[in-house]
Amino acid sequence: QITLKESGPTLVKPTQTLTLTCTFSGFSLSTSGVGVGWIRQPPGKALEWLALIYWDDDKRYSPSLKSRLTITKDTSKNQVVLTMTNMDPVDTATYYCAHEDANFDYWGQGTLVTVSS
Amino acid sequence: ETVMTQSPATLSVSPGERATLSCRASQSVSSNLAWYQQKPGQAPRLLIYGASTRATGIPARFSGSGSGTEFTLTISSLQSEDFAVYYCQQYNNWPLTFGQGTRLEIK
Repeated sequence: QITLKESGPTLVKPTQTLTLTCTFSGFSLSTSGVGVGWIRQPPGKALEWLALIYWDDDKRYSPSLKSRLTITKDTSKNQVVLTMTNMDPVDTATYYCAHEDANFDYWGQGTLVTVSS
Repeated sequence: ETVMTQSPATLSVSPGERATLSCRASQSVSSNLAWYQQKPGQAPRLLIYGASTRATGIPARFSGSGSGTEFTLTISSLQSEDFAVYYCQQYNNWPLTFGQGTRLEIK
């Protein structure tokens, strides 16, 4: 049974760096072909893909946010960490992590991050 | 970037009727297209992948079709639990992209 759960701050100030952790179970990020991605959704708006990391440490980023994003994995802890620098109020959103098997077949519950001073 | 355009933005359908949702890609995505259902306060749920393959546990009333740039999600006989927002997503080209969603509401 695959499960994922996001954790991190619910409130960050503008210009700060956001660090989110995805802790998962039911699969290993050392298994060939496996990936974990991050997707966000501003309130009332559509889904936006942010970043993806694969079992072999291949990393992919949204071009529009690439300069602000870093994705890493800790296979021993079954965790994936996303950092986003220079946060702005427009980055207020629910952030999801998801298991990737070409598509996103398992999702975490999401965590709402509000950017406000 | 591959832009995914969904239509209509909102679809009003009565329970028991058929619903047809469309998704168009700005360039070919082959059959690398997924559909997700999202209910308020919940994470998206994978319905269809490979344009036409139902994910595990998805009822047979959900079907997907299309390839290249034109795709359709059909719900054959709407149940009350099907009223939600539906997103398409392509995974053929980088970056991965989602459509803006279609809200399926009760008529």
